[in-house]
Amino acid sequence: GAVVSQHPSWVICKSGTSVKIECRSLDFQATTMFWYRQFPKQSLMLMATSNEGSKATYEQGVEKDKFLINHASLTLSTLTVTSAHPEDSSFYICSAKNEIAGVLEEQYFGPGTRLTVT
Amino acid sequence: GQNIDQPTEMTATEGAIVQINCTYQTSGFNGLFWYQQHAGEAPTFLSYNVLDGLEEKGRFSSFLSRSKGYSYLLLKELQMKDSASYLCAVMDSNYQLIWGAGTKLIIKP
Repeated sequence: GAVVSQHPSWVICKSGTSVKIECRSLDFQATTMFWYRQFPKQSLMLMATSNEGSKATYEQGVEKDKFLINHASLTLSTLTVTSAHPEDSSFYICSAKNEIAGVLEEQYFGPGTRLTVT
Repeated sequence: GQNIDQPTEMTATEGAIVQINCTYQTSGFNGLFWYQQHAGEAPTFLSYNVLDGLEEKGRFSSFLSRSKGYSYLLLKELQMKDSASYLCAVMDSNYQLIWGAGTKLIIKP
């Protein structure tokens, strides 16, 4: 099956610093990747859709200058949380779609990154 | 607006059967997904329904009625490891996933 990895799995950083999270599709090429945030006991919240070779599409209310997304290749997307604050502490999850010949397939999720900002 | 409703929490006994319901109102429909999420982990795919009816996969089955905007996930022969949150998600006309808040399933021995 399709495998998506994330790095790091958890990170603690100080307020005001930036953190980069990597999302990789290991055995397939993903033209589209998604970044989600999940607060405790809440559902997944889509932050942005990352398209290879073009700018990410951000959901309403998500600051694109704070959450920088780069989809540099068909197997790698990165999310950088800039000037992190304690309220940015959350579980960040990426997912990737493996579309073959236009056939719609389910999203494959990475294991998530737990970010704690002190 | 778009809305996915599922119960917040359910409790069941090991070895029993449990049904988790999901109702939805979305702009368009391109399929309904069920995911399992253990605490502190990312969701894992369970099932995908796009046509009406029942899809069976081992101990898990998923049902869809598009006319009623309704789906359920049926778990049989419950095991302790089935304790998790179960997320219902609908793909809308823009092929974007709309997520429910999840149902926390507690299995008791």
